[in-house]
Amino acid sequence: QQPVQSPQAVILREGEDAVINCSSSKALYSVHWYRQKHGEAPVFLMILLKGGEQKGHEKISASFNEKKQQSSLYLTASQLSYSGTYFCGTGRSWGKLQFGAGTQVVVTP
Amino acid sequence: EAGVTQFPSHSVIEKGQTVTLRCDPISGHDNLYWYRRVMGKEIKFLLHFVKESKQDESGMPNNRFLAERTGGTYSTLKVQPAELEDSGVYFCASSLQGGANNEQYFGPGTRLTVT
Repeated sequence: QQPVQSPQAVILREGEDAVINCSSSKALYSVHWYRQKHGEAPVFLMILLKGGEQKGHEKISASFNEKKQQSSLYLTASQLSYSGTYFCGTGRSWGKLQFGAGTQVVVTP
Repeated sequence: EAGVTQFPSHSVIEKGQTVTLRCDPISGHDNLYWYRRVMGKEIKFLLHFVKESKQDESGMPNNRFLAERTGGTYSTLKVQPAELEDSGVYFCASSLQGGANNEQYFGPGTRLTVT
């Protein structure tokens, strides 16, 4: 079962905030967040693990509610470079990720 | 450090033809994954290699798809014969360690169009 992302798309002005949600109907081991710009590789943003550990390479804020099987990604004080499609991937077993349909983010000047 | 590379970046073939996609993972990454995104839909898992062994091939759609990873380095994904519904973007990803707790690094994908 693929996770469900919301919203499908969001348009915001530079400096504004946005939240992207990812929810699953099944228990999760981890939630992975990626950003993809058109024609490029999806770029790893962060992993949120059961127990609260987070691993990431960028200044991105996110939360993981294990009981609700939900994760949220927070885009704070958005910059033009934040534009792209954000995917959440949920991990339940050996390494296989199940992805949501993506949230398209457009940041305008 | 070089990232995951994929070749070709685009491929246009006719229905019934054969296409082979290649993926070179990050050096030293034993885990290699193939995913596919059909137009407008989710990225879906195809299979997972650990070195040269198939750990999980539950996402392979049918026997027209054959993935190999001889020697545990690069991998190929062959589609033979291709059908219209095979069109989409095929992504490869690699990770140093397996398991759902480890980050996967994606390549730019191969856009396959079957006409």
